[in-house]
Amino acid sequence: SQQGEEDPQALSIQEGENATMNCSYKTSINNLQWYRQNSGRGLVHLILIRSNEREKHSGRLRVTLDTSKKSSSLLITASRAADTASYFCATDINSGYALNFGKGTSLLVTP
Amino acid sequence: DTGVSQNPRHKITKRGQNVTFRCDPISEHNRLYWYRQTLGQGPEFLTYFQNEAQLEKSRLLSDRFSAERPKGSFSTLEIQRTEQGDSAMYLCASSPRIAGRSYNEQFFGPGTRLTVL
Repeated sequence: SQQGEEDPQALSIQEGENATMNCSYKTSINNLQWYRQNSGRGLVHLILIRSNEREKHSGRLRVTLDTSKKSSSLLITASRAADTASYFCATDINSGYALNFGKGTSLLVTP
Repeated sequence: DTGVSQNPRHKITKRGQNVTFRCDPISEHNRLYWYRQTLGQGPEFLTYFQNEAQLEKSRLLSDRFSAERPKGSFSTLEIQRTEQGDSAMYLCASSPRIAGRSYNEQFFGPGTRLTVL
């Protein structure tokens, strides 16, 4: 069964706007990762946040983690058409191997 | 670009036939993973190798599925007596083992899309 649940399932915004997607998970984790998937580049790692971290930044990406609520959010600032993709959160329960992915948020960024 | 490669990219087969997929990980990565992804879902973990040892298998990996990584380099995933429910994208990923760190990002291949008629 899938560990994470992303919300919303689909999001449509215009270029320049910010996109926020959320992930909730069920059991304790060691870390949480966000991945992006589009038809051109497949599944690509974006950012990893450890369970003892609360916020992390990478370029236009900002990830937060609230282990008390078992939730994470991914913020993409100043979105571009090239950000159009599906975004998945993945939790790493057994350190170093299996990732449990959510169902993903489908993001559409229109010019 | 020496990323993860998978072959074939597409496979169409008839129900009951056997199929085999190949994954070539990034050369210095000793961990290799197989996932399955169906339409509208996230990838689901199937199995994991560290070098040539298969260390974990998901309950999704029925007796019809077998995976090998004979020399700790490339891996094969075989599905015997395919069923229509096996139709999916099969993804391979690899990651390095970094001393002192128990978590790693995984690098995914482009996948093999299987269609069982």
